[in-house]
Amino acid sequence: GAVVSQHPSRVICKSGTSVKIECRSLDFQATTMFWYRQFPKQSLMLMATSNEGSKATYEQGVEKDKFLINHASLTLSTLTVTSAHPEDSSFYICSAHSGDAGVNTGELFFGEGSRLTVL
Amino acid sequence: GEDVEQSLFLSVREGDSSVINCTYTDSSSTYLYWYKQEPGAGLQLLTYIFSNMDMKQDQRLTVLLNKKDKHLSLRIADTQTGDSAIYFCAESSGGYNKLIFGAGTRLAVHP
Repeated sequence: GAVVSQHPSRVICKSGTSVKIECRSLDFQATTMFWYRQFPKQSLMLMATSNEGSKATYEQGVEKDKFLINHASLTLSTLTVTSAHPEDSSFYICSAHSGDAGVNTGELFFGEGSRLTVL
Repeated sequence: GEDVEQSLFLSVREGDSSVINCTYTDSSSTYLYWYKQEPGAGLQLLTYIFSNMDMKQDQRLTVLLNKKDKHLSLRIADTQTGDSAIYFCAESSGGYNKLIFGAGTRLAVHP
């Protein structure tokens, strides 16, 4: 089945540094990818919609200069947390959709998630 | 705005059936989903139901949808310890666009 992979799965960084998280669709092309953030014991909150070849669409309250999203190819989207602070520590999950995967189901495929810890 | 609500915790005995409930507010929801999340992992799609269906069965899983009451349930028959996880209900009304997730129900299966 369709697979979405994230890297790194865990990252620890110092406050003030930037961290890049990659999301790859391994066996299908994803024109649209989504980035979610999950706080402990809470649900997933959509941060932004990443569109291949164009600017990402951010949800209300998400700082686009803080969370840089690049979707340069049909199989890769990246999320860069800039000038990270401890409050940015969270579990970040991406998902990808393609009309060729999960045909007619409206199905999204999720990555394994990336746990960011900012010291 | 759209809202999805679930109870936060469910405990069942191994071999019994589990029923996880979910309510949503968006009457234009097109698809409704159940996802499973194991500790430290991403989400795994378990099943989904299109809004014009009342029921869907897939092996041990049965999804019931009451569109009038905006109520969705997931029944897991013969619950096993491997079913212990957090189960998220989600809905989408914008085609393949954003999903609105519930807070998740933590299912604990005990012997």
